[in-house]
Amino acid sequence: EAGVAQSPRYKIIEKRQSVAFWCNPISGHATLYWYQQILGQGPKLLIQFQNNGVVDDSQLPKDRFSAERLKGVDSTLKIQPAKLEDSAVYLCASSLVSGTGQGYEQYFGPGTRLTVT
Amino acid sequence: GQNIDQPTEMTATEGAIVQINCTYQTSGFNGLFWYQQHAGEAPTFLSYNVLDGLEEKGRFSSFLSRSKGYSYLLLKELQMKDSASYLCAVRRRGGSYIPTFGRGTSLIVHP
Repeated sequence: EAGVAQSPRYKIIEKRQSVAFWCNPISGHATLYWYQQILGQGPKLLIQFQNNGVVDDSQLPKDRFSAERLKGVDSTLKIQPAKLEDSAVYLCASSLVSGTGQGYEQYFGPGTRLTVT
Repeated sequence: GQNIDQPTEMTATEGAIVQINCTYQTSGFNGLFWYQQHAGEAPTFLSYNVLDGLEEKGRFSSFLSRSKGYSYLLLKELQMKDSASYLCAVRRRGGSYIPTFGRGTSLIVHP
């Protein structure tokens, strides 16, 4: 079974530029998560999708970040314009379900390391 | 709000046992995860506890006390490859089931 795919793996941009990240979850996984992980910290949830609907985006800086999950499969996360403090690893994860029962554990992709200069 | 607390760093000797603690305060608690993250890699799932008690899985065990807001991850027969960050994550119900991660505990295993 293929894992969670993300691209690009690395990205360097200047502040005020825009950037987009792509994620393809494990086939059949209904729930998709985007996290931001700053060096030395745990992952911070930015947005959670259930199929193509948003479950939680309370920590997404909506003035500059946007995300979509068209057709309930692939997802993209965009930052426009980027700031220096956006330098982090952006992790995508998926799980079968988000409720009780089996399938609640998350499978993470390799992440995209973003450096904003 | 939520608060998850873990020690920042721990060191242990190869072959020994180490216990990594996690305390949390949250409303709508619905389970606690432990993930392992090697440097430069993505987190990988270790365990999930929703009921009080100890769950054993090979060299790793995880314990939960819901009344105390406390969990620990126990690693036995430590190996060098166990050097990694261990992330405690709490799942709460807020419309749906939303995970929140702690800062992680960096475990260094030395010979």
